[in-house]
Amino acid sequence: DTAVSQTPKYLVTQMGNDKSIKCEQNLGHDTMYWYKQDSKKFLKIMFSYNNKELIINETVPNRFSPKSPDKAHLNLHINSLELGDSAVYFCASSMGRDSPLHFGNGTRLTVT
Amino acid sequence: GNSVTQMEGPVTLSEEAFLTINCTYTATGYPSLFWYVQYPGEGLQLLLKATKADDKGSNKGFEATYRKETTSFHLEKGSVQVSDSAVYFCALSESYNTDKLIFGTGTRLQVFP
Repeated sequence: DTAVSQTPKYLVTQMGNDKSIKCEQNLGHDTMYWYKQDSKKFLKIMFSYNNKELIINETVPNRFSPKSPDKAHLNLHINSLELGDSAVYFCASSMGRDSPLHFGNGTRLTVT
Repeated sequence: GNSVTQMEGPVTLSEEAFLTINCTYTATGYPSLFWYVQYPGEGLQLLLKATKADDKGSNKGFEATYRKETTSFHLEKGSVQVSDSAVYFCALSESYNTDKLIFGTGTRLQVFP
């Protein structure tokens, strides 16, 4: 029933590890996104995919690699995690071109 | 580059008080403007939008008018409720790249009974 779902909800891991966050949307949207929200609630776009094709890559370190196996899924893999990667990561989807974004509930990543 | 500036929070109000959260923007071209709301533990939800100058977006008693002359999109509500307590984000979509939303830093609203 959930429109945009992401897993896990919480992720606690140590520096240097590799982790993935999964996202799925059942809205039939063509465009999916990853946003990062820091501890001050500042929200910044990381990636945008349209129909499995990378559209936006906002100077994110190449330790972050998005993967879109089909247009309903956009997963985020992070290599060699660092303390500064601790944040809430939000997946979102939209029809594009001024249509509203639908957000998942976020994944709180804590790197220790 | 394009940017959005919001008033710092938290904004603390009593129930039934009048709310204004200021938002100004810097953009080339003709961006669309949005307000999103984030309730605790949840993702952001679209609250309202305006796509051209002088448009007024409204939803759930909230309103915002797209003012090109002052590059502003202030959020207002005449009588807030405790359930309105949340973080509010102003955002713009760049007119040449409408898949990209640029968000302000968010303003936390706390409403007390």
